[in-house]
Amino acid sequence: QSALTQPASVSGSPGQSITISCTGTSSDVGGYNYVSWYQQHPGKAPKAMIYDVNNRPSGVSNRFSGSKSGNTASLTISGLQAEDEADYYCSSYTSRATWVFGGGTKLTVL
Amino acid sequence: EVQLVDSGGGLVKPGGSLRLSCAASGFTFGNYNMNWVRQAPGKGLEWVSSISSSSIFIYYADSVKGRFTISRDNAKNSLYLQMNSLRVEDTAVYYCVRDVSNCFDPWGQGTLVTVSS
Repeated sequence: QSALTQPASVSGSPGQSITISCTGTSSDVGGYNYVSWYQQHPGKAPKAMIYDVNNRPSGVSNRFSGSKSGNTASLTISGLQAEDEADYYCSSYTSRATWVFGGGTKLTVL
Repeated sequence: EVQLVDSGGGLVKPGGSLRLSCAASGFTFGNYNMNWVRQAPGKGLEWVSSISSSSIFIYYADSVKGRFTISRDNAKNSLYLQMNSLRVEDTAVYYCVRDVSNCFDPWGQGTLVTVSS
């Protein structure tokens, strides 16, 4: 199972919005609405930010939103804050009943 | 508070074995599917294995199939990962993760496995 494709890095200024893409295939992202996004700060365990394409776990800011079109899912962060600087990973369920992650995107808040 | 505590990591020689454990608390462990996810140093996340709530359904990543065995003891609120025939490329932090309706939440703090001669 090949990893999902994410940009290696994105950046934005405080207050701006950024979008991170996550491209898979019809056997994973395109075939199921089971795409999730995770935030990871250095030295910390990942934290769920979005699940089932566009749902936020309790306690996650509504500045985080998700969407999907075909084989590509996206995470949008609006009103960027310094604390949003982290690595972000997408994940999808697959047709083999397994899970696959993206390679990760480093978000820099300028 | 929902909590997962990973343990059992350490230094092992190539070809060796190690058993990881995950202690769950703050929720009804037996109601949830569970997973192991790993992260090699400086690299991204890699899903390793999943086990259904009653242990009926078990799946592995191709990279560990035939070498790793996932199991659980619902009476002890514990998840395990038996790792045999370890390779240098298995070196990673291993996280225990709960599956809540297709959302991995929460994650354990991770336990480091280093495979080196």
